[in-house]
Amino acid sequence: DSGVTQTPKHLITATGQRVTLRCSPRSGDLSVYWYQQSLDQGLQFLIQYYNGEERAKGNILERFSAQQFPDLHSELNLSSLELGDSALYFCASSVAAGGRETQYFGPGTRLLVL
Amino acid sequence: EDQVTQSPEALRLQEGESSSLNCSYTVSGLRGLFWYRQDPGKGPEFLFTLYSAGEEKEKERLKATLTKKESFLHITAPKPEDSATYLCAVPDNAGNMLTFGGGTRLMVKP
Repeated sequence: DSGVTQTPKHLITATGQRVTLRCSPRSGDLSVYWYQQSLDQGLQFLIQYYNGEERAKGNILERFSAQQFPDLHSELNLSSLELGDSALYFCASSVAAGGRETQYFGPGTRLLVL
Repeated sequence: EDQVTQSPEALRLQEGESSSLNCSYTVSGLRGLFWYRQDPGKGPEFLFTLYSAGEEKEKERLKATLTKKESFLHITAPKPEDSATYLCAVPDNAGNMLTFGGGTRLMVKP
């Protein structure tokens, strides 16, 4: 158990819908990262927040957005869902931001768009 | 742009048959290399961080080594419970993201 929690574990929805994925980082961690894992793309970085502020963006679609709240939990919002958005979404956290910080991953949310 | 390539894509071993997994990387400046283990449908589990060429780290049957161009994950006398996908990753300059390799799927048969 990494100490990172994610809800829900599974999510089934229809195309065009909007969903929210939630992540609670490890106690004391200020940085939260979101990754998407699909069969054909592997693990891809989406976005990072550090202490409530957006820190970096990766290959995140405009239909996707995220935020980090004062209690440091984070939410990833996916809208206008398409079949291709079906994937595992992972949240990771680290104490700070920086190349030497280990990122600890949560159990993931499996999203299926029908 | 950082690139990480892992080989082989899949590896089948008999229990007790030692082998090595390879992670080749191209980065503008090495800021560390991470190894993770991932079981099907689960989140990546942190194994090791290596920071400089020549560094080695061990954990049970696993040993990770690092050179200037690649890292190896050596598995000694593997057991069926070592079956998983092993991922390596490098952080970007600011440490804001990890670039992952495609992984090596290891299957250990009893």
